[in-house]
Amino acid sequence: GQNIDQPTEMTATEGAIVQINCTYQTSGFNGLFWYQQHAGEAPTFLSYNVLDGLEEKGRFSSFLSRSKGYSYLLLKELQMKDSASYLCAVREGAAGNKLTFGGGTRVLVKP
Amino acid sequence: GAVVSQHPSRVICKSGTSVKIECRSLDFQATTMFWYRQFPKQSLMLMATSNEGSKATYEQGVEKDKFLINHASLTLSTLTVTSAHPEDSSFYICSAIGPDQPQHFGDGTRLSIL
Repeated sequence: GQNIDQPTEMTATEGAIVQINCTYQTSGFNGLFWYQQHAGEAPTFLSYNVLDGLEEKGRFSSFLSRSKGYSYLLLKELQMKDSASYLCAVREGAAGNKLTFGGGTRVLVKP
Repeated sequence: GAVVSQHPSRVICKSGTSVKIECRSLDFQATTMFWYRQFPKQSLMLMATSNEGSKATYEQGVEKDKFLINHASLTLSTLTVTSAHPEDSSFYICSAIGPDQPQHFGDGTRLSIL
């Protein structure tokens, strides 16, 4: 089984930076994914890390440390439309590529 | 554009009705499809994993006779909620993976049982 923890809610100001942390425990790590989900919609893929380090994609970056069981998603230059839930998901190689999701972090961007 | 198509997007029906939801991968052959359920303000809970041509693998606590999954081809999986009741009302989301693909999600189906 897996334990995936991320904060429940975060609030930030438009134009600022927010970092969402995710810690996990798994027996056969095979990648960590970040998804964005707006209310009432399906998740959309943001980033994928399987090796240690930072992956940058425009305003979004994701970091992974496998030895620490830790990842973060960094959102820069926040925009109002970034208000959403952000889901951390871990893929376990021994489990046929299925993803296990954390509880999600609701980010509220204020003007 | 969308790489996974899910249909219908919204269903409202009476208690006791069976409801079928389709999930199609559009630009790739999906080796595996997944079915999730999401209650309001909660995260996605995996219901079952579906591989083409074989029986689905259900997560603990999910009734396989209640939630029938058929993965008849590399691009189509269906979930049938049999004899649905109000407690089955939820947001159902499928996803698919293929070679060199991250897991892509369909747009979800909001099921409301009256």
